[in-house]
Amino acid sequence: QKEVEQNSGPLSVPEGAIASLNCTYSDRGSQSFFWYRQYSGKSPELIMFIYSNGDKEDGRFTAQLNKASQYVSLLIRDSQPSDSATYLCAVRGNTGKLIFGQGTTLQVKP
Amino acid sequence: NAGVMQNPRHLVRRRGQEARLRCSPMKGHSHVYWYRQLPEEGLKFMVYLQKENIIDESGMPKERFSAEFPKEGPSILRIQQVVRGDSAAYFCASRTSGGTYEQYFGPGTRLTVT
Repeated sequence: QKEVEQNSGPLSVPEGAIASLNCTYSDRGSQSFFWYRQYSGKSPELIMFIYSNGDKEDGRFTAQLNKASQYVSLLIRDSQPSDSATYLCAVRGNTGKLIFGQGTTLQVKP
Repeated sequence: NAGVMQNPRHLVRRRGQEARLRCSPMKGHSHVYWYRQLPEEGLKFMVYLQKENIIDESGMPKERFSAEFPKEGPSILRIQQVVRGDSAAYFCASRTSGGTYEQYFGPGTRLTVT
C-alpha cells in the first residue's frame, strides 16, 4: 500500500465549476498535510496546508481533513483554465520530510 | 528575490561524469530538503540537512550520491559517475525552524545524462 494515494486523473471540469481533488494516506499518526500545484516543467508551488480536522478556506481553495477516515481533499471553486495543472498531496513524515502522492492532473475546459 | 535558488537550471552530463547541484534556501530558512522527480513519476524525498549536519538521508541511494550543507554557502547535492537513470528533475525545498513545517521549493535542476 502506498503511503499517499491520489487518483492520477485526468480530472476534467468545465470553467466555473468546482474541482474536487482527493487524497488518502496510510499513517494514522500523520499530523500535517499539504497541497502543492505543479505546472508542467515547473516546480511545486504550495497552495495550502492543514493540520486540524475540518475545513480551511483560502480564496477559491478549501482544504478538508478527516483524520478518522485518513483522507484530505482540495476543492477549487470557480475553476479557471489557469488552474489546469497537476495537484500534489503531501503528508509530513518524521523529520519533516514530505511524502507525496503521484498527483492528480486537472484540466479546466473553457 | 528572496525565494529558494537553485543552479544550474539545466545540466547535461555524459555517463560517468560528476554532477553538482546547488541550492540556496530562502532567507531565514535553515532546513533544506532535496527531492527527485523522475520522468512521469512522483516527487521522492532524498535527504534533509541543516547547517553542517545531515539529519535524514533515508531516501538517498547508497552509492554515488552525497549531500552537504556547509556553514557558509549553498547546499550541494553531488552525484558521482552518473548513469542514464539519474536523468531527472532535482528540487530543493527549504523551511524555517519549528512552526508549521511548510516547505518552499526552488525552480529545480533538470539533469540529463547522455
